[in-house]
Amino acid sequence: EDQVTQSPEALRLQEGESSSLNCSYTVSGLRGLFWYRQDPGKGPEFLFTLYSAGEEKEKERLKATLTKKESFLHITAPKPEDSATYLCAVQALSGGSNYKLTFGKGTLLTVNP
Amino acid sequence: DSGVTQTPKHLITATGQRVTLRCSPRSGDLSVYWYQQSLDQGLQFLIQYYNGEERAKGNILERFSAQQFPDLHSELNLSSLELGDSALYFCASSFWTSGGGGELFFGEGSRLTVL
Repeated sequence: EDQVTQSPEALRLQEGESSSLNCSYTVSGLRGLFWYRQDPGKGPEFLFTLYSAGEEKEKERLKATLTKKESFLHITAPKPEDSATYLCAVQALSGGSNYKLTFGKGTLLTVNP
Repeated sequence: DSGVTQTPKHLITATGQRVTLRCSPRSGDLSVYWYQQSLDQGLQFLIQYYNGEERAKGNILERFSAQQFPDLHSELNLSSLELGDSALYFCASSFWTSGGGGELFFGEGSRLTVL
């Protein structure tokens, strides 16, 4: 069974204090790893897709990296508006040509001004 | 705004009742996915439809059913409701049956409270 574990569950940072969120996964036939951002009362919003070990993607203050067993979401000089829950998901082969996303429980990031 | 519309936003009902949640996907998207989100379980995949046909099934209870109509909107039916069914139910859509690059567009969810 596909498993995604995110750590820490919650992270509180001061504005400008860089840090990283971790996503470790166990999946057979990984097709891709995805990061989403979820604001309170909203649906998840897509951030990045990573397909192979060594791949990196950047968007503003966020950078996602991938190894064979885990992914990191690095947040550089965060701002209060970066506060949200960050979800990691894996997409794996699931019965023929259909795929589904398996999500981790997320990391709740709070950035204080 | 993701372009995915879900109704109702909030729903309060009693145990044993039946409710229907509705989802309109983004214009042009053929796949619809339903997810359940609770505090202890996170986002759980329930079911996927592509152009009216069921394509993938996750941890969906037998009391739950879904369908996608010819106009591509989808409905999730929850029956014999239990307290533990209280959760946020999200609909997401994508163009490809496989979710393409995994980029799903989520609606804002329907919050179900079972009393």
